[in-house]
Formats: sequence, structure tokens, C-alpha cells
Amino acid sequence: SQQGEEDPQALSIQEGENATMNCSYKTSINNLQWYRQNSGRGLVHLILIRSNEREKHSGRLRVTLDTSKKSSSLLITASRAADTASYFCATWGNKLVFGAGTILRVKS
Amino acid sequence: DTAVSQTPKYLVTQMGNDKSIKCEQNLGHDTMYWYKQDSKKFLKIMFSYNNKELIINETVPNRFSPKSPDKAHLNLHINSLELGDSAVYFCASSQGHRDYSYEQYFGPGTRLTVT
Repeated sequence: SQQGEEDPQALSIQEGENATMNCSYKTSINNLQWYRQNSGRGLVHLILIRSNEREKHSGRLRVTLDTSKKSSSLLITASRAADTASYFCATWGNKLVFGAGTILRVKS
Repeated sequence: DTAVSQTPKYLVTQMGNDKSIKCEQNLGHDTMYWYKQDSKKFLKIMFSYNNKELIINETVPNRFSPKSPDKAHLNLHINSLELGDSAVYFCASSQGHRDYSYEQYFGPGTRLTVT
């Protein structure tokens, strides 16, 4: 299975701090995506990084991808209370396979 | 305008019943998906359709039958509901599916509770 595994399972930080979430996967991929899910809502796409890319930025988000280690990280800088959500990595081989997610809580 | 919509949002039913969930997208996408999210938040793909053609059919009991009347709609019919079917079902769509994935747009989910 190329399911992503995320670390940590849960993260609690103060507003203004940075949050880092990690994702590891098992097989070769075409791209890796990060999604956010607010409680009781659907998933929202955050960022997609292709297998030939190493780093990508989008606003306060920074994603890195290391295909040699089969791992990715999502950094949220200057976190806000509104960033409180579950964050999932998903790998694409021929379908999107999701990890178990990291629950992020940002305290104000 | 809602990009991907699902109905109903909540569905409570008894074991053995048959139920349907409907999904519509107004993004003009070619590909639509059904996912199941269990109580531990684990999200797994069930089916995918591209231009009304079934392209992904995971190991899902044949009590689950997707139907795509056109590329903007993908419905999920479930026969003989079981307790283990209780979950949140998400519909999603994307612009394409070949070679590399496009981002997927998710609906709000349908929380199915089987009693």
C-alpha cells in the first residue's frame, strides 16, 4: 500500500507559532497533495507537489518533498486559530491514497 | 454557488434498508469520486468515474452501486445496509485523472448512520 502515514497524530500550538506535519509513504508516486478538513466539513485542497519538485510555497504554507526518503512535510507559518483542522497528505500513483491525518489545534 | 454538492447531509436508517446518496458538481470536471471516511477519519476511495465511465472500483461490497447519468452527477446506491456501513461518504471531482492527478474538490459529506 502507498498509504501515507502522518506524524504527529495530533499537534497543539499557540497562535503565531509554526506548525510542522510530516508524511511518509511507501511506493513511488507522481505527486503528493495536502488537504485540510475542518470539523464536520469536506476536504479542501491546499497544495500539490509533483515528484520532480522539492519545495513549494503557497501563502503561509511550505511543502517539501524528498522522494529518496519517501517523505513530505507541511509547514504552516504564523499559525492562526482558524488553522485548527485535520490535515491529510495524499499520494497519487493511479489514484489518491490518503494518510490518517494530523489533528492541529491552534490556541488563541 | 456550491461547487460539489451532496444530498442528503445526514441519513439515518435501519439495517437492511436501501438508500441512495446524490452528488452533483458544477465545475465542468470530467472525473468524479466516492470516498468513505470511517470513525477514525481514515479516508478511502471507493469508486471513480470519468465521463460516465467507471475507472476505479476498489474492493467494495457489491451492495454498493455507483451510477453516473452524466459527467456532472455521480450517485451512490447502497442495498441491504449494514451497521459497518455507518460512515461519512464524500463525493469529489477533478479536472482529469490520467498521468498525474489534478486537485480534487470535495463535497460537504453525507453522514450515514445505520441502526
